[in-house]
Amino acid sequence: AQSVTQPDIHITVSEGASLELRCNYSYGATPYLFWYVQSPGQGLQLLLKYFSGDTLVQGIKGFEAEFKRSQSSFTLRKPSVHWSDAAEYFCAVGERNTDKLIFGTGTRLQVFP
Amino acid sequence: KAGVTQTPRYLIKTRGQQVTLSCSPISGHRSVSWYQQTPGQGLQFLFEYFSETQRNKGNFPGRFSGRQFSNSRSEMNVSTLELGDSALYLCASSLGLGDSGANVLTFGAGSRLTVL
Repeated sequence: AQSVTQPDIHITVSEGASLELRCNYSYGATPYLFWYVQSPGQGLQLLLKYFSGDTLVQGIKGFEAEFKRSQSSFTLRKPSVHWSDAAEYFCAVGERNTDKLIFGTGTRLQVFP
Repeated sequence: KAGVTQTPRYLIKTRGQQVTLSCSPISGHRSVSWYQQTPGQGLQFLFEYFSETQRNKGNFPGRFSGRQFSNSRSEMNVSTLELGDSALYLCASSLGLGDSGANVLTFGAGSRLTVL
């Protein structure tokens, strides 16, 4: 069965520090991977996706993610965090031609000034 | 262009009642899906509609149902509400074609349902 694991429930960083959020997936076929962000009281906003090709993908708001098939991982990074990045981040895996996503449990990011 | 619009944004019901939530997708999107978000279970897929047909369904009881209209707007209904149905219900839309892989979803802000 497909599954997504985000091992860090809560991460706290200082503004300006770098950020790395981990995600591991279990999926038999070609994984279609996503990172979404959710601010309080809001829906989910797509940060970036990986379908194929270059294993380093660029997203919005200065985020990037690295796909490593050998480790079944999809790691989200940002070189310098801003206070506005405080939110919950979700990793998800999808299937071809369907809206069904399997989400991880999320990582709540807190940013200190 | 306008995003995914969900109504109502907030609602309170009592156990045993039923509720209908509405979702208007992005113009041109033919696929609509619904997700339930709770603190305990996280984000869970409910169902997906494409061209008025249910294409995929999650593991939820039959009290949860949905439909899609010819203009791609969708509704979901929950009958005989239980306390555990309190959640944020998120609607998402996509082109639904999956030409390059999985569908890319745009989510609405959600409908927060509280069951008392």
